[in-house]
Amino acid sequence: AQSVTQLGSHVSVSEGALVLLRCNYSSSVPPYLFWYVQYPNQGLQLLLKYTSAATLVKGINGFEAEFKKSETSFHLTKPSAHMSDAAEYFCAVSDRRGATNKLIFGTGTLLAVQP
Amino acid sequence: ETGVTQTPRHLVMGMTNKKSLKCEQHLGHNAMYWYKQSAKKPLELMFVYNFKEQTENNSVPSRFSPECPNSSHLFLHLHTLQPEDSALYLCASSHGRDRAGYTFGSGTRLTVV
Repeated sequence: AQSVTQLGSHVSVSEGALVLLRCNYSSSVPPYLFWYVQYPNQGLQLLLKYTSAATLVKGINGFEAEFKKSETSFHLTKPSAHMSDAAEYFCAVSDRRGATNKLIFGTGTLLAVQP
Repeated sequence: ETGVTQTPRHLVMGMTNKKSLKCEQHLGHNAMYWYKQSAKKPLELMFVYNFKEQTENNSVPSRFSPECPNSSHLFLHLHTLQPEDSALYLCASSHGRDRAGYTFGSGTRLTVV
């Protein structure tokens, strides 16, 4: 069965520092992987996705993620954190069995950005 | 605006009330989903509809009753809820089996008193 594990429920960085949010996946088929961001009292917004093309994926707001099959990882990075990046981030894997691409989400990582 | 509209944004209801949550999308998607997001818990998939047909019910209590009259509208009818049902209820839509992922609505913050 497909699953994702996000290491670290809370991550704190200083403004301007590197952001690294970790995600490891488990999938019985080549996975589709996603990162979503959620701001307070909002729904989830797609940041980026991997669907078996380039392994380095660039998303919105300067974020990118690299698919590493050997490590079963899909970590999210941003070279320089901004205060507006403070939010909760969710990694997800697509369960491609059945008629719909059902998304299985991780438990989320809350990113705090310190001035 | 994300393309998926949920109403109301906030709802407070008593345990004996009956209310409904509404979700609407005009993105041309054929699949729609209800998720429950509670504090300190992972997102829980509740129901999946594909071309108006329910394809998944993740052992959701019968006090939650979904309805999908067409591919653009999804409802969640609520009755006799419990305080532990208080949560953010998120609706999402997608093209089904394509690679684009979901588009989420902003959610309905439900408080059961």
